[in-house]
Amino acid sequence: GENVEQHPSTLSVQEGDSAVIKCTYSDSASNYFPWYKQELGKGPQLIIDIRSNVGEKKDQRIAVTLNKTAKHFSLHITETQPEDSAVYFCAAKSGTTDSWGKLQFGAGTQVVVTP
Amino acid sequence: DGGITQSPKYLFRKEGQNVTLSCEQNLNHDAMYWYRQDPGQGLRLIYYSQIVNDFQKGDIAEGYSVSREKKESFPLTVTSAQKNPTAFYLCASSIRLPHPGLTNTGELFFGEGSRLTVL
Repeated sequence: GENVEQHPSTLSVQEGDSAVIKCTYSDSASNYFPWYKQELGKGPQLIIDIRSNVGEKKDQRIAVTLNKTAKHFSLHITETQPEDSAVYFCAAKSGTTDSWGKLQFGAGTQVVVTP
Repeated sequence: DGGITQSPKYLFRKEGQNVTLSCEQNLNHDAMYWYRQDPGQGLRLIYYSQIVNDFQKGDIAEGYSVSREKKESFPLTVTSAQKNPTAFYLCASSIRLPHPGLTNTGELFFGEGSRLTVL
């Protein structure tokens, strides 16, 4: 099955700096890669996603890149603000047709933005 | 407001007791899921259901049970057989079960979670 590894596990950045979180996946058939943000005491919420036929996607201060050959994808947050402090999860959706499109999540990255 | 409601938010249980976590959604979603969240381990799938009266085991179903008698409800029972039940439990839903061959899969909508502590 799919295995998703996420790094780093914790990331501390100064307000205004950029943050980058990287994930690798094992199943070359995976075709959809969402990122979820979990604020303290809340459930995760989708913030951006990318499909396998796209190399990069941007939404205001966040962007995601996908390298299918290397089987890795990254989340980039520019001009970080204190409200970006949260746990971020990457995920990969199985594209193997002998099963369903299950999402496999990474272990999460705790991002702390210090003023 | 549409969304997913989990209750209780916090729950304490003695060893040997079963406990049931509630999950209700008013999004008219067909698919519902239960995840377990432990520090450093991400989200692991316990059970999922794509339709009323049907559910399937996820990756870590041992010691858990579910039911899906109504489209809106997907309660999770943590039984005394679960060896390490202390965790944060998240319920989620999506329009339908994601198809592996389609790149536009349904977004997961999560509840705010239930934290279970076994004393």
